[in-house]
Amino acid sequence: AQKVTQAQTEISVVEKEDVTLDCVYETRDTTYYLFWYKQPPSGELVFLIRRNSFDEQNEISGRYSWNFQKSTSSFNFTITASQVVDSAVYFCALSEVTGGGNKLTFGTGTQLKVEL
Amino acid sequence: DADVTQTPRNRITKTGKRIMLECSQTKGHDRMYWYRQDPGLGLRLIYYSFDVKDINKGEISDGYSVSRQAQAKFSLSLESAIPNQTALYFCATSDTSTSTDTQYFGPGTRLTVL
Repeated sequence: AQKVTQAQTEISVVEKEDVTLDCVYETRDTTYYLFWYKQPPSGELVFLIRRNSFDEQNEISGRYSWNFQKSTSSFNFTITASQVVDSAVYFCALSEVTGGGNKLTFGTGTQLKVEL
Repeated sequence: DADVTQTPRNRITKTGKRIMLECSQTKGHDRMYWYRQDPGLGLRLIYYSFDVKDINKGEISDGYSVSRQAQAKFSLSLESAIPNQTALYFCATSDTSTSTDTQYFGPGTRLTVL
C-alpha cells in the first residue's frame, strides 16, 4: 500500500526565512507521480507541482523549489525568503497508476505559519 | 468563473437526513473524484469515476453513494448522515488526454452533521 508521511505537523518562521517542508513516501510501483498542493486559509486546494518517478531533476519556480530523491524516497519542498502569503497547509501526495488513471494518497499536511 | 464548482459551499444538517453534494466542471475532464478532509488526516478518497459509466469505491466509501449524471457532473450522497461525516468535502477532476493527469480541486463543501 502507498503511504505519504509529512512528519512536520506545524512550522513557524519569520518572514524572509527559508523553510523546507519534508515529504517521505512509500510505494511498490516503479512508475508513480508526486504532487504538492497548497491549502491557504480560504480552504481551496491549489496545485503546485507534479513530478514523475523517472525525472529526478530538481525544479525551481520563483521562490519555490523541489528536491526529489528516489534513493531516500523523498520529495521535499523549499520556500526561499518566505512571505506571510505563504502561510497555508501544504500537502504532499503520491499517485497510484491504476489501469484507468491515477488515485492520490495524501500526507497529513504541514501547517506553515509565516510571521512578520 | 471557476472551472470546478461545488454546491452547497456550507451545509448544516441533522443526523439521519439525506444530503447531496454536487460537483460541476467546465474543464472538459473525463475523470472526477470525491475526497473528504478531516483535521490531521489529510484528504481521503471516497469515490472516483473515470467516465460516465465507470464508478469506483475509494478508501472510505461506506455511508456514501455517488452518481455521475454527465461527464461534467458528479454528485455525492449521504443517505443517512451521521455526526462523524462532519468534514470538508472536495471534488476533483483530471484529464486522461494529457500526460499529467493532474487533479484539480473545487473550492470544497463544509458539511456539519448535528
